[in-house]
Amino acid sequence: EIVLTQSPATLSLSPGERATLSCRASQNIDNYLAWYQQKPGQAPRLLIYDTANRATGIPVRFSGSGSGADFTLTISSLEPDDFAIYYCQHKGQWPPGATFGPGTKVDIK
Amino acid sequence: QVQLVESGGGVVQPGRSLRLSCAASGFTFSSYGMHWVRQAPGKGLAWVAVISYEGSTEYYADSVKGRFTISRDNSKNTLSLQMNSLRAEDTAVYYCAKETVPTAGFAFDIWGQGTMVTVSS
Repeated sequence: EIVLTQSPATLSLSPGERATLSCRASQNIDNYLAWYQQKPGQAPRLLIYDTANRATGIPVRFSGSGSGADFTLTISSLEPDDFAIYYCQHKGQWPPGATFGPGTKVDIK
Repeated sequence: QVQLVESGGGVVQPGRSLRLSCAASGFTFSSYGMHWVRQAPGKGLAWVAVISYEGSTEYYADSVKGRFTISRDNSKNTLSLQMNSLRAEDTAVYYCAKETVPTAGFAFDIWGQGTMVTVSS
């Protein structure tokens, strides 16, 4: 079973600053890594899939990188709307189940 | 527009059953694998179950295996989750989610708004 670890648990930053979020897998997961943003009372929103591909309508300030077992979500310049919880997620071909990381909360400093 | 709408949540006693539904619209439902994901109050996301696009393959999280059954009706564009022998720890918002790519996607691009299930005596 693949386990995802996210760090830090909380990231306190100011608008305009750069945010760097980390996700580490317990083994090589190739590029099958996605990132989601969730705000209170809302469903998660897909930001990045297959490590580095932005989902439809996602601003260019969001970017994903990494390979193997280490992945990063970067928000180049935080907007007020970006303060939220971010989850990484993996799903492989077999078994077909998915795994989520515990999340990183990005809050206003 | 592309949309998923869950229903069927509520308050149920431990040991009882509940059936959740997810109505899909705006896309070719029969071409996509579908998942249930839950989120306990104040906690993170937890994957629950998946069913393949044609319904031939199901897979469950260990925490619900043997108690929950995922199914789909491609003629009605509907996904279901039958939850039996419910426990307090099953209390959560339940989301249905669509895979990104037909037949075999690795992320979830469309989510429903969620339906709350509370297991309590």
